[in-house]
Amino acid sequence: EPEVTQTPSHQVTQMGQEVILRCVPISNHLYFYWYRQILGQKVEFLVSFYNNEISEKSEIFDDQFSVERPDGSNFTLKIRSTKLEDSAMYFCASLEGRGSTDTQYFGPGTRLTVL
Amino acid sequence: AQTVTQSQPEMSVQEAETVTLSCTYDTSESDYYLFWYKQPPSRQMILVIRQEAYKQQNATENRFSVNFQKAAKSFSLKISDSQLGDAAMYFCAYRGSGLVFGQGTRLTINP
Repeated sequence: EPEVTQTPSHQVTQMGQEVILRCVPISNHLYFYWYRQILGQKVEFLVSFYNNEISEKSEIFDDQFSVERPDGSNFTLKIRSTKLEDSAMYFCASLEGRGSTDTQYFGPGTRLTVL
Repeated sequence: AQTVTQSQPEMSVQEAETVTLSCTYDTSESDYYLFWYKQPPSRQMILVIRQEAYKQQNATENRFSVNFQKAAKSFSLKISDSQLGDAAMYFCAYRGSGLVFGQGTRLTINP
């Protein structure tokens, strides 16, 4: 069964450094998402991406964040200058298309630790 | 703005018994989707069940079923014949621009 994959599974970085989290969505899906979950808290929406552009973003998704689909398979989240409070699990999700089952399928997550 | 509330931070149930997890939400939309996701210790988000708001019939997936009360904006999850593998955090979610999640309910299964 097709699944969303994410790399790396765990990323440790120093405060102020740039990180890129990578996701490979399910191949025929058209909508892509990033979520974050700070330890012990609920999952929060960051951004949605469709047709090579951001379609929605939350207030969390400030200028430090960017997303890109550099080729036909990868979907990346970049944090330009990490802060301690960016430490969290980051989940990528993809959705086939509106009007289908409308179900987002999640990747296994990347644990980001900012020191 | 849409909000999702899970009022039970923790629940426990004896193996093989039935447990119900509560969820309420707030929206002004008339057509939408609701979901329950399970997050085991591995922290992967796994879809448990989905409900389309325009369908009056409650969704069922094997041992998992929902009680969807649209007027009350309530969407509870019932797990029948609980198994040890059901132990996890359970998140209720509403499809807004992205998914809007509740705070989660940690379910413990007692052998």
